[in-house]
Amino acid sequence: DTGVSQDPRHKITKRGQNVTFRCDPISEHNRLYWYRQTLGQGPEFLTYFQNEAQLEKSRLLSDRFSAERPKGSFSTLEIQRTEQGDSAMYLCASSFRPENTEAFFGQGTRLTVV
Amino acid sequence: GQSLEQPSEVTAVEGAIVQINCTYQTSGFYGLSWYQQHDGGAPTFLSYNALDGLEETGRFSSFLSRSDSYGYLLLQELQMKDSASYFCAVRDEYRGSTLGRLYFGRGTQLTVWP
Repeated sequence: DTGVSQDPRHKITKRGQNVTFRCDPISEHNRLYWYRQTLGQGPEFLTYFQNEAQLEKSRLLSDRFSAERPKGSFSTLEIQRTEQGDSAMYLCASSFRPENTEAFFGQGTRLTVV
Repeated sequence: GQSLEQPSEVTAVEGAIVQINCTYQTSGFYGLSWYQQHDGGAPTFLSYNALDGLEETGRFSSFLSRSDSYGYLLLQELQMKDSASYFCAVRDEYRGSTLGRLYFGRGTQLTVWP
């Protein structure tokens, strides 16, 4: 296993367009997290899944954001009607159990909204 | 809510020792983690403290005092490759159990000079 992978690595889109990102976690990890990181800040929690169930969503996740994890494997994060304020690095992380003290992060998808 | 405070920048020379402090305020506490992030890279796990005291992992050590809501990361025998951002993070509690989600500080940019 090569770790958590995210696709695409970079995305430039025009304001108002929809974008979708994919995350493939480490295969045996049942917990998957999405974070957003802007320049000079730490990652901010967006949402998390245990298997296919989305158990928590941050208030940062507006109605334009939706995440899925069908079959409890890969996950997608969709942003509809993108705004310039959505420009950020979107990070995915996975872990086996919450008691597992280590979260494994992917390289992220850098979104630029122009 | 959660808040974490850490210095924004630290500089040191190769071979030196540096300490990065972190103070936190959180409604629930399940341990303090430290992550390293190089420019353009993914956050990578360094250490985790659930109980008071010092945890040592090679050149890196981490300390926690729960009564003081304080921890630090100690980096010894600094190398150029240690130049990166370092984040402290607390694990969250929800309805009496940890979800495993992390709340991050804003990060400390460490620059190691030759």
